[in-house]
Amino acid sequence: EPEVTQTPSHQVTQMGQEVILRCVPISNHLYFYWYRQILGQKVEFLVSFYNNEISEKSEIFDDQFSVERPDGSNFTLKIRSTKLEDSAMYFCASSVSNQPQHFGDGTRLSIL
Amino acid sequence: AQTVTQSQPEMSVQEAETVTLSCTYDTSESDYYLFWYKQPPSRQMILVIRQEAYKQQNATENRFSVNFQKAAKSFSLKISDSQLGDAAMYFCAYRSAFAGGTSYGKLTFGQGTILTVHP
Repeated sequence: EPEVTQTPSHQVTQMGQEVILRCVPISNHLYFYWYRQILGQKVEFLVSFYNNEISEKSEIFDDQFSVERPDGSNFTLKIRSTKLEDSAMYFCASSVSNQPQHFGDGTRLSIL
Repeated sequence: AQTVTQSQPEMSVQEAETVTLSCTYDTSESDYYLFWYKQPPSRQMILVIRQEAYKQQNATENRFSVNFQKAAKSFSLKISDSQLGDAAMYFCAYRSAFAGGTSYGKLTFGQGTILTVHP
């Protein structure tokens, strides 16, 4: 069964550094999402992406965050200048229209 | 804005027994989807079951079934014949069914319920 893949599984970064989290959605999916889960807390929506543009973003998704689909297969989340509070598990998901979203295994981001 | 509430931070069940996890939600929309996701210690998010609000029949997937009460805005998950592999965090989630709606596409999650299964 096709799956969403995320790399790396764990990223350790110094505060203030830029980080790029990568995702390869399922190939025929058109809708892409990023979610965040701070340890012990609920999963929070960050951003949705369709037709090469952001369709919705949450208040968490401020100017430090950006998303891109650079080559038709990858979907990336960039944090320009990381803060301690960015430490979390980041999940990528993709879907076909109104079908359920399929999640990747997540990237654990640790900011030192 | 839609909200999802799971009032049980933790639940436990004996192997082979039945357990019910509760979820309530708040929305002004008439058509939407509800989901239960399972998150084992490996932290993956695995879809367990899905319910479409316009369908009155409760969804069932093998040992997993839901009790969907639209008027009460309640969406509970029943796990029958619990197995050790069912131990995980369970999240209830909401998604609008309307294209162009304020929350179309995004999932709104509850706080989660940690399920422990005792042998």
